[in-house]
Amino acid sequence: QKEVEQDPGPLSVPEGAIVSLNCTYSNSAFQYFMWYRQYSRKGPELLMYTYSSGNKEDGRFTAQVDKSSKYISLFIRDSQPSDSATYLCAMSPDIQGAQKLVFGQGTRLTINP
Amino acid sequence: GAVVSQHPSWVICKSGTSVKIECRSLDFQATTMFWYRQFPKQSLMLMATSNEGSKATYEQGVEKDKFLINHASLTLSTLTVTSAHPEDSSFYICSARASGAGGYTFGSGTRLTVV
Repeated sequence: QKEVEQDPGPLSVPEGAIVSLNCTYSNSAFQYFMWYRQYSRKGPELLMYTYSSGNKEDGRFTAQVDKSSKYISLFIRDSQPSDSATYLCAMSPDIQGAQKLVFGQGTRLTINP
Repeated sequence: GAVVSQHPSWVICKSGTSVKIECRSLDFQATTMFWYRQFPKQSLMLMATSNEGSKATYEQGVEKDKFLINHASLTLSTLTVTSAHPEDSSFYICSARASGAGGYTFGSGTRLTVV
Protein backbone atom coordinates (compact mmCIF):
# COMPACT_ATOMS: atom_id res chain seq x y z
CA GLN A 1 0.00 0.00 0.00
CA LYS A 2 1.32 3.39 -0.97
CA GLU A 3 1.74 5.98 1.73
CA VAL A 4 -0.42 8.44 -0.23
CA GLU A 5 -3.15 7.36 -2.63
CA GLN A 6 -4.58 9.62 -5.29
CA ASP A 7 -6.87 8.69 -8.15
CA PRO A 8 -4.89 9.40 -11.32
CA GLY A 9 -8.03 10.05 -13.35
CA PRO A 10 -8.24 11.34 -15.96
CA LEU A 11 -11.10 13.54 -14.83
CA SER A 12 -13.04 15.55 -17.38
CA VAL A 13 -15.76 18.06 -16.43
CA PRO A 14 -17.60 20.92 -18.16
CA GLU A 15 -16.63 24.52 -17.57
CA GLY A 16 -18.26 25.98 -14.49
CA ALA A 17 -18.55 22.68 -12.66
CA ILE A 18 -17.33 22.11 -9.13
CA VAL A 19 -14.34 19.81 -9.09
CA SER A 20 -13.43 17.59 -6.17
CA LEU A 21 -9.96 16.09 -5.94
CA ASN A 22 -8.99 13.77 -3.11
CA CYS A 23 -6.12 11.94 -1.47
CA THR A 24 -5.97 9.40 1.30
CA TYR A 25 -2.93 8.59 3.36
CA SER A 26 -1.79 6.04 5.88
CA ASN A 27 0.84 7.85 7.94
CA SER A 28 -0.82 9.48 10.94
CA ALA A 29 2.31 11.57 11.49
CA PHE A 30 1.53 13.78 8.50
CA GLN A 31 0.73 17.30 9.70
CA TYR A 32 1.39 19.48 6.66
CA PHE A 33 -0.67 19.13 3.52
CA MET A 34 -0.18 20.79 0.17
CA TRP A 35 -1.85 20.85 -3.21
CA TYR A 36 0.17 21.56 -6.32
CA ARG A 37 -0.94 22.27 -9.87
CA GLN A 38 1.33 21.16 -12.68
CA TYR A 39 0.91 22.16 -16.28
CA SER A 40 2.48 20.02 -18.96
CA ARG A 41 6.27 20.35 -19.09
CA LYS A 42 6.32 22.75 -16.14
CA GLY A 43 7.29 22.47 -12.50
CA PRO A 44 4.56 22.10 -9.85
CA GLU A 45 3.01 25.31 -8.56
CA LEU A 46 1.87 25.52 -4.94
CA LEU A 47 -1.87 26.13 -4.74
CA MET A 48 -2.83 25.50 -1.16
CA TYR A 49 -1.07 24.74 2.08
CA THR A 50 -2.75 23.62 5.27
CA TYR A 51 -1.54 22.56 8.65
CA SER A 52 -3.40 19.84 10.59
CA SER A 53 -7.16 19.49 10.18
CA GLY A 54 -9.58 22.07 8.90
CA ASN A 55 -10.56 24.07 5.85
CA LYS A 56 -8.75 26.78 3.96
CA GLU A 57 -10.15 28.89 1.16
CA ASP A 58 -8.36 30.95 -1.46
CA GLY A 59 -10.50 32.36 -4.20
CA ARG A 60 -12.10 29.51 -6.13
CA PHE A 61 -10.03 26.90 -4.28
CA THR A 62 -10.87 25.23 -0.97
CA ALA A 63 -8.65 22.71 0.76
CA GLN A 64 -10.00 20.39 3.43
CA VAL A 65 -8.12 18.11 5.79
CA ASP A 66 -9.75 15.40 7.87
CA LYS A 67 -6.99 13.82 9.89
CA SER A 68 -9.35 11.44 11.66
CA SER A 69 -10.16 9.86 8.31
CA LYS A 70 -6.71 10.49 6.82
CA TYR A 71 -8.40 12.19 3.89
CA ILE A 72 -7.71 15.50 2.17
CA SER A 73 -9.63 17.26 -0.57
CA LEU A 74 -9.27 20.16 -2.96
CA PHE A 75 -12.41 21.79 -4.35
CA ILE A 76 -12.38 24.03 -7.38
CA ARG A 77 -15.46 26.19 -7.88
CA ASP A 78 -16.51 27.71 -11.19
CA SER A 79 -13.88 25.66 -12.98
CA GLN A 80 -12.20 27.23 -16.00
CA PRO A 81 -10.41 25.68 -18.99
CA SER A 82 -7.21 27.21 -17.59
CA ASP A 83 -7.61 24.91 -14.58
CA SER A 84 -6.85 21.96 -16.86
CA ALA A 85 -3.68 20.46 -15.41
CA THR A 86 -2.39 17.68 -13.20
CA TYR A 87 -3.08 18.19 -9.50
CA LEU A 88 -0.74 16.65 -6.96
CA CYS A 89 -1.32 16.31 -3.26
CA ALA A 90 1.74 16.28 -1.03
CA MET A 91 2.28 15.93 2.68
CA SER A 92 4.91 15.61 5.38
CA PRO A 93 5.19 15.25 9.15
CA ASP A 94 7.20 18.44 9.38
CA ILE A 95 8.53 21.16 7.12
CA GLN A 96 11.76 21.96 8.89
CA GLY A 97 15.19 21.22 7.54
CA ALA A 98 15.50 18.28 5.20
CA GLN A 99 11.98 16.98 5.68
CA LYS A 100 10.83 15.25 2.50
CA LEU A 101 7.45 15.56 0.87
CA VAL A 102 5.41 12.50 0.00
CA PHE A 103 3.38 12.93 -3.18
CA GLY A 104 0.25 11.36 -4.52
CA GLN A 105 0.25 10.05 -8.08
CA GLY A 106 -1.44 13.17 -9.41
CA THR A 107 -4.88 13.59 -10.99
CA ARG A 108 -5.14 14.76 -14.57
CA LEU A 109 -7.99 17.22 -14.87
CA THR A 110 -9.54 18.58 -18.06
CA ILE A 111 -12.12 21.39 -18.03
CA ASN A 112 -14.12 21.38 -21.24
CA PRO A 113 -15.35 24.75 -22.61
CA GLY B 1 6.87 34.98 -2.81
CA ALA B 2 9.70 32.49 -2.85
CA VAL B 3 11.09 31.89 -6.33
CA VAL B 4 13.22 28.98 -7.48
CA SER B 5 14.90 29.36 -10.83
CA GLN B 6 16.04 26.30 -12.77
CA HIS B 7 18.27 26.31 -15.82
CA PRO B 8 18.30 25.14 -18.53
CA SER B 9 14.65 24.45 -19.23
CA TRP B 10 15.56 21.86 -21.81
CA VAL B 11 18.75 20.26 -23.07
CA ILE B 12 19.69 17.66 -25.65
CA CYS B 13 23.01 15.89 -25.29
CA LYS B 14 24.84 12.97 -26.81
CA SER B 15 25.29 9.67 -25.03
CA GLY B 16 28.39 9.62 -22.89
CA THR B 17 28.49 13.34 -22.22
CA SER B 18 27.66 15.11 -18.97
CA VAL B 19 24.98 17.69 -18.36
CA LYS B 20 24.72 20.19 -15.50
CA ILE B 21 21.42 21.55 -14.25
CA GLU B 22 21.31 24.58 -11.96
CA CYS B 23 18.76 25.38 -9.29
CA ARG B 24 18.78 28.80 -7.65
CA SER B 25 16.70 30.29 -4.87
CA LEU B 26 16.28 33.88 -6.02
CA ASP B 27 14.91 35.68 -3.00
CA PHE B 28 15.69 33.41 -0.09
CA GLN B 29 18.43 31.22 1.25
CA ALA B 30 18.00 27.47 1.08
CA THR B 31 20.17 25.22 3.20
CA THR B 32 18.29 22.28 1.75
CA MET B 33 17.14 21.67 -1.80
CA PHE B 34 15.52 18.62 -3.29
CA TRP B 35 16.00 17.03 -6.70
CA TYR B 36 13.20 15.07 -8.36
CA ARG B 37 12.79 13.10 -11.51
CA GLN B 38 9.48 12.76 -13.29
CA PHE B 39 8.53 10.38 -16.07
CA PRO B 40 5.62 11.16 -18.41
CA LYS B 41 2.23 10.93 -16.71
CA GLN B 42 3.81 9.94 -13.42
CA SER B 43 4.33 11.67 -10.12
CA LEU B 44 7.58 13.12 -8.84
CA MET B 45 10.25 10.73 -7.65
CA LEU B 46 12.67 12.14 -5.10
CA MET B 47 16.25 11.50 -6.15
CA ALA B 48 18.26 13.25 -3.47
CA THR B 49 18.34 15.90 -0.81
CA SER B 50 20.98 18.54 -1.35
CA ASN B 51 22.54 20.06 1.75
CA GLU B 52 24.57 23.26 1.67
CA GLY B 53 28.18 22.63 2.56
CA SER B 54 27.86 18.86 2.92
CA LYS B 55 27.22 15.74 0.92
CA ALA B 56 23.86 15.09 -0.62
CA THR B 57 21.62 12.34 0.68
CA TYR B 58 20.50 10.01 -2.07
CA GLU B 59 17.34 7.93 -2.16
CA GLN B 60 17.60 4.20 -2.44
CA GLY B 61 18.36 3.09 -5.97
CA VAL B 62 19.77 6.42 -7.14
CA GLU B 63 23.38 6.22 -8.30
CA LYS B 64 25.30 8.95 -6.54
CA ASP B 65 28.25 8.64 -8.93
CA LYS B 66 25.98 9.18 -11.88
CA PHE B 67 23.91 12.02 -10.47
CA LEU B 68 26.40 14.38 -8.85
CA ILE B 69 24.93 17.03 -6.60
CA ASN B 70 26.78 20.09 -5.41
CA HIS B 71 25.28 22.65 -3.05
CA ALA B 72 28.09 25.14 -2.76
CA SER B 73 26.12 28.13 -1.56
CA LEU B 74 22.87 28.95 0.19
CA THR B 75 21.25 29.87 -3.11
CA LEU B 76 22.62 27.37 -5.61
CA SER B 77 22.46 23.62 -6.04
CA THR B 78 23.57 21.80 -9.17
CA LEU B 79 22.76 18.35 -10.50
CA THR B 80 25.23 16.86 -12.99
CA VAL B 81 24.16 13.83 -14.96
CA THR B 82 27.42 12.12 -15.83
CA SER B 83 27.99 9.83 -18.80
CA ALA B 84 24.40 10.28 -19.84
CA HIS B 85 22.51 7.49 -21.56
CA PRO B 86 19.13 7.54 -23.31
CA GLU B 87 17.47 6.01 -20.25
CA ASP B 88 18.46 9.14 -18.31
CA SER B 89 16.12 11.16 -20.51
CA SER B 90 13.52 12.60 -18.19
CA PHE B 91 12.13 15.73 -16.56
CA TYR B 92 14.25 16.89 -13.62
CA ILE B 93 12.86 19.33 -11.08
CA CYS B 94 14.33 20.97 -8.00
CA SER B 95 12.57 22.46 -5.00
CA ALA B 96 13.30 24.36 -1.81
CA ARG B 97 11.42 25.95 1.05
CA ALA B 98 11.93 29.47 2.28
CA SER B 99 12.08 29.82 6.05
CA GLY B 100 8.63 30.66 7.35
CA ALA B 101 6.97 29.75 4.06
CA GLY B 102 3.94 27.51 3.99
CA GLY B 103 5.08 25.13 1.35
CA TYR B 104 7.85 24.04 -0.95
CA THR B 105 8.58 25.99 -4.13
CA PHE B 106 9.54 24.16 -7.28
CA GLY B 107 11.68 25.17 -10.19
CA SER B 108 10.24 25.12 -13.69
CA GLY B 109 11.99 21.85 -14.50
CA THR B 110 14.59 20.69 -17.02
CA ARG B 111 13.71 18.36 -19.83
CA LEU B 112 16.75 16.25 -20.64
CA THR B 113 16.92 14.26 -23.84
CA VAL B 114 19.93 12.01 -24.40
CA VAL B 115 20.45 10.91 -28.00
